[in-house]
Amino acid sequence: ETGVTQTPRHLVMGMTNKKSLKCEQHLGHNAMYWYKQSAKKPLELMFVYNFKEQTENNSVPSRFSPECPNSSHLFLHLHTLQPEDSALYLCASSQSTGGNTGELFFGEGSRLTVL
Amino acid sequence: GQQVMQIPQYQHVQEGEDFTTYCNSSTTLSNIQWYKQRPGGHPVFLIQLVKSGEVKKQKRLTFQFGEAKKNSSLHITATQTTDVGTYFCAVFQGAQKLVFGQGTRLTINP
Repeated sequence: ETGVTQTPRHLVMGMTNKKSLKCEQHLGHNAMYWYKQSAKKPLELMFVYNFKEQTENNSVPSRFSPECPNSSHLFLHLHTLQPEDSALYLCASSQSTGGNTGELFFGEGSRLTVL
Repeated sequence: GQQVMQIPQYQHVQEGEDFTTYCNSSTTLSNIQWYKQRPGGHPVFLIQLVKSGEVKKQKRLTFQFGEAKKNSSLHITATQTTDVGTYFCAVFQGAQKLVFGQGTRLTINP
């Protein structure tokens, strides 16, 4: 139990589907992250949120739409994905204070398969 | 932004042998973090190094930060099957953007 919970753990979707990944952290952290992990690029940062404000968008295609309603919850809305988007999507949280960020706590990940 | 090159990409050892993975940067790093990801698992934080020349130990794991703060290494003495996994270094590009190295995947022959 890492304190970061991701659902669903596995997701299969067609290219025309719309689905969402959910992440919830119980650690009281203020920063939350989405990473993509695939064989081609092991851990690729997608988005960073701090106090529910987006601070980083690592040139992610618009078919991935993040949402952070509060510091404890983070969503990744998926729409019109491509087969190459199949990957493990990892959520993480950290405590960021005064310009310094501590360690990241990762969830178990959501394994996405796009058919 | 700061990036790191991590080598080797793969390492296979006999149980009991030592293992080392290296991270190198062309720029001076403010700090560096190390994570371990077991097969089928998620990355787990191991340690953060901040000071020039810093050496930290965790049982059989020794972490070093170079004097110039441009490189770092993780050394495992006498590997055990529980050490199997992928080891990542990571550095910050800005306050919160944590960027990971390519990782070194360690496999062990028992």
